[in-house]
Amino acid sequence: GESVGLHLPTLSVQEGDNSIINCAYSNSASDYFIWYKQESGKGPQFIIDIRSNMDKRQGQRVTVLLNKTVKHLSLQIAATQPGDSAVYFCAERPRGNQFYFGTGTSLTVIP
Amino acid sequence: DSGVTQTPKHLITATGQRVTLRCSPRSGDLSVYWYQQSLDQGLQFLIHYYNGEERAKGNILERFSAQQFPDLHSELNLSSLELGDSALYFCASSVENQALHFGNGTRLTVT
Repeated sequence: GESVGLHLPTLSVQEGDNSIINCAYSNSASDYFIWYKQESGKGPQFIIDIRSNMDKRQGQRVTVLLNKTVKHLSLQIAATQPGDSAVYFCAERPRGNQFYFGTGTSLTVIP
Repeated sequence: DSGVTQTPKHLITATGQRVTLRCSPRSGDLSVYWYQQSLDQGLQFLIHYYNGEERAKGNILERFSAQQFPDLHSELNLSSLELGDSALYFCASSVENQALHFGNGTRLTVT
């Protein structure tokens, strides 16, 4: 299968600070990337996506950056809130193929 | 709420038994995916159906099978269950070439 890895398995941030979660992907043919948030007892929830023809995409309090040169994806969360505490997964999709998921980064927001 | 419904939420059964997990996709989504998530593991792709037909198989055991019905709901059948099959099983649905939207999963415990 594909290799989608996360640089840090855990991340703790102070409430109000910005969070950055990183992800390395292995398939240079991947053209679609998604960040998911998974809270305890729930399924992964779509946060934001980006296609390979873009470098940056912004949502509400979140920004995804894509660096195709080094095959790196990051999720930035502005003004992190306690409700942001969860496990975050990145997913990549090689063209026409299935999605491959990383093992996740656990984000803890300290009040 | 993603709009994807999975039943049951919890299932406890004994080794050697057979169970059926059910998934109703979001309205309008023709694709249904099944994923397995074990403790400390990422999401492992099992199988993908599109409009009733199997599209792709991932790491799905021969003891496992699935189908998608004309009304687009899907069932995942797990037979000859082993202790190692204990996991969360997620269903996701999507419109072609768009992000996956996940249900809240079925937690299977094999004793």
